[in-house]
Amino acid sequence: GAVVSQHPSRVICKSGTSVKIECRSLDFQATTMFWYRQFPKQSLMLMATSNEGSKATYEQGVEKDKFLINHASLTLSTLTVTSAHPEDSSFYICSAKVQGDTEAFFGQGTRLTVV
Amino acid sequence: AQKVTQAQTEISVVEKEDVTLDCVYETRDTTYYLFWYKQPPSGELVFLIRRNSFDEQNEISGRYSWNFQKSTSSFNFTITASQVVDSAVYFCALRSGSARQLTFGSGTQLTVLP
Repeated sequence: GAVVSQHPSRVICKSGTSVKIECRSLDFQATTMFWYRQFPKQSLMLMATSNEGSKATYEQGVEKDKFLINHASLTLSTLTVTSAHPEDSSFYICSAKVQGDTEAFFGQGTRLTVV
Repeated sequence: AQKVTQAQTEISVVEKEDVTLDCVYETRDTTYYLFWYKQPPSGELVFLIRRNSFDEQNEISGRYSWNFQKSTSSFNFTITASQVVDSAVYFCALRSGSARQLTFGSGTQLTVLP
């Protein structure tokens, strides 16, 4: 299957700072990328969907000014958690797909801890 | 709207036992796709299977098998002769109609004891 690389795998940041997470499709061009958040012992919840070159579509309850998503190229999407707080500590995972394909491929996830 | 229900929160079995993980889905679309993923403690999602709504054939892959029943809107997953390495959280997911994103069930934590 196709490979999606997510970086970093783990990050610890201080409260009030911003952290950027990268999601790259290594061997295919991803027209659409998805960002999910997973709290401990819970399911994956979709945060937003982004298409290359356009603004992301955020799910209800997700603050777009806090979770900045940029999908500037067909192989890279970034999620920036701005002014992070301890309650933002979570596992963030991206997935990427090609338009028309049924399959979406997942990155390895990023475990964010805000102290 | 689409919904996936995994009623079993946690299951614990002894090695070599068979175990079935249940998944019930809801969708109004006639075209949809069902998935199973494994999430080990490291966190990454491991793709196990994809099924489309027009293919009700059951599938077997080694110790894994899947039973897709449209009549009961279920897509159950069975592991035969379970092993300790099977311990993980298993998610069932649905993508229906023209939706691009997956809807995940709440997951089942499987623990296989030696």
